[in-house]
Amino acid sequence: SQKIEQNSEALNIQEGKTATLTCNYTNYSPAYLQWYRQDPGRGPVFLLLIRENEKEKRKERLKVTFDTTLKQSLFHITASQPADSATYLCALLSGSARQLTFGSGTQLTVLP
Amino acid sequence: SQTIHQWPATLVQPVGSPLSLECTVEGTSNPNLYWYRQAAGRGLQLLFYSVGIGQISSEVPQNLSASRPQDRQFILSSKKLLLSDSGFYLCAWSDQGLSYEQYFGPGTRLTVT
Repeated sequence: SQKIEQNSEALNIQEGKTATLTCNYTNYSPAYLQWYRQDPGRGPVFLLLIRENEKEKRKERLKVTFDTTLKQSLFHITASQPADSATYLCALLSGSARQLTFGSGTQLTVLP
Repeated sequence: SQTIHQWPATLVQPVGSPLSLECTVEGTSNPNLYWYRQAAGRGLQLLFYSVGIGQISSEVPQNLSASRPQDRQFILSSKKLLLSDSGFYLCAWSDQGLSYEQYFGPGTRLTVT
């Protein structure tokens, strides 16, 4: 069956460092992979989308890589700030209605 | 600009009671619509999706149902709630055009007692 794993349930890093979050998947051949941010008690917010033919995508301090051979995506936040503290969700898109299957998320805490 | 509304924000219901959660989208037409549930400390589970009025697909068999009576209205219902129905219910929409991201509503926190 299809499975998405986000390797760390929780990640603590020091302010100013780079946070790296991992998303691995099995039994999928996704054309698109997305990352979302979710704050407590709120709905997820879209951050970045990367296509299968793209190796890397950047947006301000965010960078996503997508390795379809390894079936893995890495999500980086450079120069991290306490305001980056949140849960980050990886999602794979499939189906004609563009359904998303989400990983369980990684809770990132940036310590001042 | 597009906005998505969900209500109520919080709901406490006894086991066996009915449920109706409503979601409406403004500022777009013919969106894909989705219902998700998030149990405490868990990821999002897709429950239903819809590509048009009256067109509902279910991802997970359960005692919940969904309806789309209007283009931008999506309703989640149950005739008899179970304790296991407790969770955070999120509605989302996506464009049927060239973008693939989903936009989520504020959610409904449901506690079944």
